[in-house]
Amino acid sequence: GQNIDQPTEMTATEGAIVQINCTYQTSGFNGLFWYQQHAGEAPTFLSYNVLDGLEEKGRFSSFLSRSKGYSYLLLKELQMKDSASYLCAVLDSNYQLIWGAGTKLIIKP
Amino acid sequence: EADIYQTPRYLVIGTGKKITLECSQTMGHDKMYWYQQDPGMELHLIHYSYGVNSTEKGDLSSESTVSRIRTEHFPLTLESARPSHTSQYLCASSGPGDLTGELFFGEGSRLTVL
Repeated sequence: GQNIDQPTEMTATEGAIVQINCTYQTSGFNGLFWYQQHAGEAPTFLSYNVLDGLEEKGRFSSFLSRSKGYSYLLLKELQMKDSASYLCAVLDSNYQLIWGAGTKLIIKP
Repeated sequence: EADIYQTPRYLVIGTGKKITLECSQTMGHDKMYWYQQDPGMELHLIHYSYGVNSTEKGDLSSESTVSRIRTEHFPLTLESARPSHTSQYLCASSGPGDLTGELFFGEGSRLTVL
């Protein structure tokens, strides 16, 4: 079967750095996506990796290793507004998005 | 900014009623999706469409139907609402190829069935 694993919850301090990991086993791979979802709101797209390596977008970076079935989302200079759930999703060989359950990130002052 | 709209945003209805949740997008996307999500839980795909007159069932589709008569419009219908249908319903659309994974979501329709 297809599976995506992420930690359920993480806590970090304002101004610090946090890394949210995602491992996946899917039938085929056409890209890995990270989404941010604030409580009660819809998810919004953050980043996309299809080749191995690091993609940087301001305070957010996402890394992919296809051989290891592994990705992480790195958030720097954490702000209180970064408190949200972070969803990892993989586009499989049928171009279907397979979603992880999400990681709830709690930022403390 | 995404141009995808859902109505109603909030709906409270009684058991047995028929309801239709509306979703429209102005981005010309061929691919559209309906997801169900309970608070703090993962997204479950209910239905999807890859274009006009094309609809497919997702993992959670047995009690609902969709139609895609126009590219921009993808309504979801529950023929007979039950309390177990109480949830948030999210509509989304995406572009072609690798862009398929970059979904634009509507603000959601929060349904409560009494």
